[in-house]
Amino acid sequence: GESVGLHLPTLSVQEGDNSIINCAYSNSASDYFIWYKQESGKGPQFIIDIRSNMDKRQGQRVTVLLNKTVKHLSLQIAATQPGDSAVYFCAENISTELTGGGNKLTFGTGTQLKVEL
Amino acid sequence: DGGITQSPKYLFRKEGQNVTLSCEQNLNHDAMYWYRQDPGQGLRLIYYSQIVNDFQKGDIAEGYSVSREKKESFPLTVTSAQKNPTAFYLCASSIFGTSDYNEQFFGPGTRLTVL
Repeated sequence: GESVGLHLPTLSVQEGDNSIINCAYSNSASDYFIWYKQESGKGPQFIIDIRSNMDKRQGQRVTVLLNKTVKHLSLQIAATQPGDSAVYFCAENISTELTGGGNKLTFGTGTQLKVEL
Repeated sequence: DGGITQSPKYLFRKEGQNVTLSCEQNLNHDAMYWYRQDPGQGLRLIYYSQIVNDFQKGDIAEGYSVSREKKESFPLTVTSAQKNPTAFYLCASSIFGTSDYNEQFFGPGTRLTVL
């Protein structure tokens, strides 16, 4: 669900360490998930996506894990760099069969990742 | 150089005035979306359009209006009926509006401040 207030959850990591950002999604009918990265004052950028028929997907330095049993999604960033500092959002898509059409995404409130030198 | 453009980047408006935010894409995407983002929060869907000349309300459509006369353009008007319009507004597009598995691409955003 949504959190209220101005303070995002924050994850602080040392440069070079691995980061794990977690997300709990709300709807068991969601069948597609995306992780976005948003730098301050900019629009979100796509990082990686995963369909509900998969439990793991890897990209360059990033891995997304999906656990449908507990409705949990995680983003792992290997060898975290200062340029990775940003807010990370997960987004879920509910099947258009249930929504009557429309590629509609529901976004989480985000996690602030801070990389310490 | 393909992408989504939003203008202006910063916009100031007096209370009681309507204002229109521009969103243009040259990606040849069918679907376009408008979101609102408040500090420390996620994105909330205002309106979306799956095809030209058609659009649907999102979760927080009250006080907003849109049009989709051209595939590449989806302007958002913030009316005086919107009680708390100060926010960061993001436009997005996706290839297909009716497919489940396609990502949304975002523009750089417009920060609207009501004085």
